[in-house]
Amino acid sequence: DSGVTQTPKHLITATGQRVTLRCSPRSGDLSVYWYQQSLDQGLQFLIQYYNGEERAKGNILERFSAQQFPDLHSELNLSSLELGDSALYFCASSPRGREGYGYTFGSGTRLTVV
Amino acid sequence: SQQGEEDPQALSIQEGENATMNCSYKTSINNLQWYRQNSGRGLVHLILIRSNEREKHSGRLRVTLDTSKKSSSLLITASRAADTASYFCATEQGAQKLVFGQGTRLTINP
Repeated sequence: DSGVTQTPKHLITATGQRVTLRCSPRSGDLSVYWYQQSLDQGLQFLIQYYNGEERAKGNILERFSAQQFPDLHSELNLSSLELGDSALYFCASSPRGREGYGYTFGSGTRLTVV
Repeated sequence: SQQGEEDPQALSIQEGENATMNCSYKTSINNLQWYRQNSGRGLVHLILIRSNEREKHSGRLRVTLDTSKKSSSLLITASRAADTASYFCATEQGAQKLVFGQGTRLTINP
């Protein structure tokens, strides 16, 4: 157990639907990062939050959005799902303000769009 | 876009042998990190080397960094079956977000 909790572990949904992925960071970590991993694109950075505020944005589609709540958990919302959105979605956390430390990853949510 | 490019893409060796993976990157970095991923699971942080460091050790792992060539290598000595996994290098630039390479798939044969 890495200390980063992601739910659900697996999700199967139909095209056009909307899903919410949830992440609880490791205790004490203020930064949360979302990554998408697919066979053809590899690990793609989506978005970073620090203490409730968006800090960096990567290759995140307009159909995707995220937020970090006061208790520091984060949610990634994926809407109007397409077959190509099928991937592993990882959340990671790090202790912001202490640069140069590794990320702690959760075990991921495997999303299958059918 | 990917910052790091790992080489080789796949590596298969016998148990007990050493495994070397290389990573090249394009821009200035704060640090470079290596991660391991077992099939379909989350990534595990292995080691971090800062831009002002040239070599770092952790157990059976040895990492080197050459900022003039924008390259790094990860050496795993005395490999074990449990080392079978994908290995990723990741670079941290100014905004404290990691950019990952495509990874090297390492297979240790018993």
